[in-house]
Amino acid sequence: EVQLQESGPGLVKPSQSLSLTCSVTGYSITSNYWGWIRKFPGNKMEWMGYISYSGSTSYNPSLKSRISITRDTSKNQFFLQLNSVTTEDTATYYCARVRRVWGWYFDFWGPGTMVTVSS
Amino acid sequence: DVVLTQTPPTLSATIGQSVSISCRSSQSLLDSDGDTYLNWLLQRPGQSPQLLIYSVSNLESGVPNRFSGSGSETDFTLKISGVEAEDLGVYYCMQATHAPWTFGGGTKLELK
Repeated sequence: EVQLQESGPGLVKPSQSLSLTCSVTGYSITSNYWGWIRKFPGNKMEWMGYISYSGSTSYNPSLKSRISITRDTSKNQFFLQLNSVTTEDTATYYCARVRRVWGWYFDFWGPGTMVTVSS
Repeated sequence: DVVLTQTPPTLSATIGQSVSISCRSSQSLLDSDGDTYLNWLLQRPGQSPQLLIYSVSNLESGVPNRFSGSGSETDFTLKISGVEAEDLGVYYCMQATHAPWTFGGGTKLELK
């Protein structure tokens, strides 16, 4: 079965960069698409972006030039980097697989990792 | 960006009751390829979101058939025919027709 696991620091200082890793087992990241989603305190969810099986990326324009999603196929991992963070980036961050069969949807999710931006 | 408005924001139900959640889109979610990319997810307390329904009405594998989805263009509905205790949590609609993909604000299903 496909399993995803996020990892990274739980606390980041304002203006610094947030870096997270998503480790995938049970499926190769050279197939399908792989995304990052975050949930803010309360219920608001935001799609941040994804990386494709070929390495191409798509990002939410709201994140402008702050976001980068990359991958290491040898380790079957993909990464999120978010630059110049503020307290508004405090959220639980999820990685997920995007399935592209009869639609576009997130079918497997990691458990999520909470990131707090604070000095 | 496409705005998805879910109603009600909170839903109180008894076990066995049938309930519906509405998701209204600010734009038609009918894609140029003829498909409609509107999905439903459930986030149980302390868990990550789980896919229930994809492309309006397709039940994800392993999801009980008491869940059903319907709708078109801008109006969509998730129905639970006979709520069970394990159904409690926050329900989200999500669209992937227009970039950027967006989520509704969530509907919290509680026990009455």
